[in-house]
Amino acid sequence: QVTLRESGPALVKPTQTLTLTCTFSGFSLTTSGMCVSWIRQPPGKALEWLARIDWDDDKYYSTSLQTRLTISKDTSTNQVVLTMTNMDPVDTATYYCARNYFDASKSYAFDIWGQGTMVTVSS
Amino acid sequence: DIQMTQSPSSLSASVGDRVTISCRTSQSSSSYLNWYQQKPGKAPKLLIYAASTLQSGVPSRFSGSGSRTDFTLTISSLQPEDFATYYCQQTYSTLWTFGQGTKVEIK
Repeated sequence: QVTLRESGPALVKPTQTLTLTCTFSGFSLTTSGMCVSWIRQPPGKALEWLARIDWDDDKYYSTSLQTRLTISKDTSTNQVVLTMTNMDPVDTATYYCARNYFDASKSYAFDIWGQGTMVTVSS
Repeated sequence: DIQMTQSPSSLSASVGDRVTISCRTSQSSSSYLNWYQQKPGKAPKLLIYAASTLQSGVPSRFSGSGSRTDFTLTISSLQPEDFATYYCQQTYSTLWTFGQGTKVEIK
């Protein structure tokens, strides 16, 4: 069974750095074609894709946030970590991690999602 | 980045109605277009990938069509459990984007 679970602080102060961890099971990021992304959703608003890391350690970032984001993986612990610097109240959102295959026939769709973790940015 | 435009942003429908949701991309996305369903407080769920392929386990009343810049999600006969928000997503470009969502409400 494939599962992903996000963890991290529920509250961060403005200007601080947010570190979120996605711990997964049922697949390996050493498997060719496997990818994990981070997606966020402010309260009552739409989904926003943030970043992706691939099995071969290629990394991709949202154009609007690329200067603030870093994604990394630890294949020994089956974790993907996202850091976001200089947090602002507008970054208040539920943050999800999700898996996809780098497979054109599957349109790289996110087939499994974590439950999400809510992060509030406030002083 | 490829911009996404979903319409309508919300709609009211009755059980049994046929519902269509549109998604337009600012440039061709070929068939790299996915649809997700999200219920309040829950993570999104994949319904359709590659514009028209039904994800395993998804009821056949859901269907997708379209290519290049114009795509449609259709629910042939709306069921009570289908009241939710629906998002399209393009994966044609290296940087992926979602539509703004369409909320399907009970009439």
